Amino acid sequence: AQSVTQLDSQVPVFEEAPVELRCNYSSSVSVYLFWYVQYPNQGLQLLLKYLSGSTLVESINGFEAEFNKSQTSFHLRKPSVHISDTAEYFCAVRENNAGNMLTFGGGTRLMVKP
Amino acid sequence: ETGVTQSPTHLIKTRGQQVTLRCSSQSGHNTVSWYQQALGQGPQFIFQYYREEENGRGNFPPRFSGLQFPNYSSELNVNALELDDSALYLCASSLGSGSSTDTQYFGPGTRLTVL
Repeated sequence: AQSVTQLDSQVPVFEEAPVELRCNYSSSVSVYLFWYVQYPNQGLQLLLKYLSGSTLVESINGFEAEFNKSQTSFHLRKPSVHISDTAEYFCAVRENNAGNMLTFGGGTRLMVKP
Repeated sequence: ETGVTQSPTHLIKTRGQQVTLRCSSQSGHNTVSWYQQALGQGPQFIFQYYREEENGRGNFPPRFSGLQFPNYSSELNVNALELDDSALYLCASSLGSGSSTDTQYFGPGTRLTVL
């Protein structure tokens, strides 16, 4: 069975600084990878996804993530964060033989300070 | 195009009661999945419905059950509520299971509190 580990439960960072949120997974089969963002008292919003092709994927609001198969990682990065990026970020994995079931990590709370 | 909607927004029940949560999938989507998100944790998969049939289940007891209707909306029913059932319940819809490009889109969730 697959599992997802988000190594940092909280990441404090100053506005306009770069940030990296780490995600590692384990699986015996090929996977699809996702990052979701959750703002306070809201549901999950899809941020970006890796299904195939280029290992570097980008979102419309400046985030990017790189799939590294050898290190089984899918870290999320942003070169310059804004106050509005403050939220909980979840990494998720879907195995290609597990239908549509997502396995989530425990989440990382990004706290952007002025 | 409307997104995924869920009702009610909040709900308070007492231990031993039964609860029904509702979800309307995004237009054109025929697959609905339900997740439980306990406070401070990531969502956990409960089950999935595809064209009115359950086609996947996580590690949840039988007192968690569901339905999907011909219009692809869905219900999650929980019997004999326990304190640990307090959580945010998330519904997600997608175009259909099996496609490698299939992506789940989540609703805002129902916050259930069991006293």
